[in-house]
Amino acid sequence: NAGVTQTPKFQVLKTGQSMTLQCAQDMNHEYMSWYRQDPGMGLRLIHYSVGAGITDQGEVPNGYNVSRSTTEDFPLRLLSAAPSQTSVYFCATRGGFEQYFGPGTRLTVT
Amino acid sequence: KQEVTQIPAALSVPEGENLVLNCSFTDSAIYNLQWFRQDPGKGLTSLLLIQSSQREQTSGRLNASLDKSSGRSTLYIAASQPGDSATYLCAVYTGGFKTIFGAGTRLFVKA
Repeated sequence: NAGVTQTPKFQVLKTGQSMTLQCAQDMNHEYMSWYRQDPGMGLRLIHYSVGAGITDQGEVPNGYNVSRSTTEDFPLRLLSAAPSQTSVYFCATRGGFEQYFGPGTRLTVT
Repeated sequence: KQEVTQIPAALSVPEGENLVLNCSFTDSAIYNLQWFRQDPGKGLTSLLLIQSSQREQTSGRLNASLDKSSGRSTLYIAASQPGDSATYLCAVYTGGFKTIFGAGTRLFVKA
């Protein structure tokens, strides 16, 4: 039972490049979400999904795209990376009232 | 708009001391509140979840309280240990499946 997994752990991109951060869960939770964590600002919600085929925007959605084709996977796409997207990205699921987090992806955009 | 504030931002205490971390929120219409621990370079680990109808939750040396009317929650850590050194985050669950996080309190327990 791996819980929530994220790949890659680290990534360096050049401005303008695109990439996909992967998130997978084996807890059969309907709710999944993506956050970014920046120093001194806590975690901010980017996008979330309440089930396969259903996604919605969070607090800071610009520059990111998501889709949810299966219960298990919820990838986050950066369309054209910018230095302002340098951050640590966390994927989370929710079962009942509790949230469970993946280990994070540290992204640097140069 | 819901805002969550954690004070202090950083705290250093000697081993064995009892301590209180604070979390305040601006809108009392919350569903529940969750406390997390984050070690450097790691993800978040859930410590305690308090539902809106509850006043407190306990787990081992940890006790979390919730006062919705005043918009406050506290995390009490008894007999602190160096292994408790980490960043502690509170998160407020609002309507619409959204969660608002505080910026965290960085705790250092000196041996």
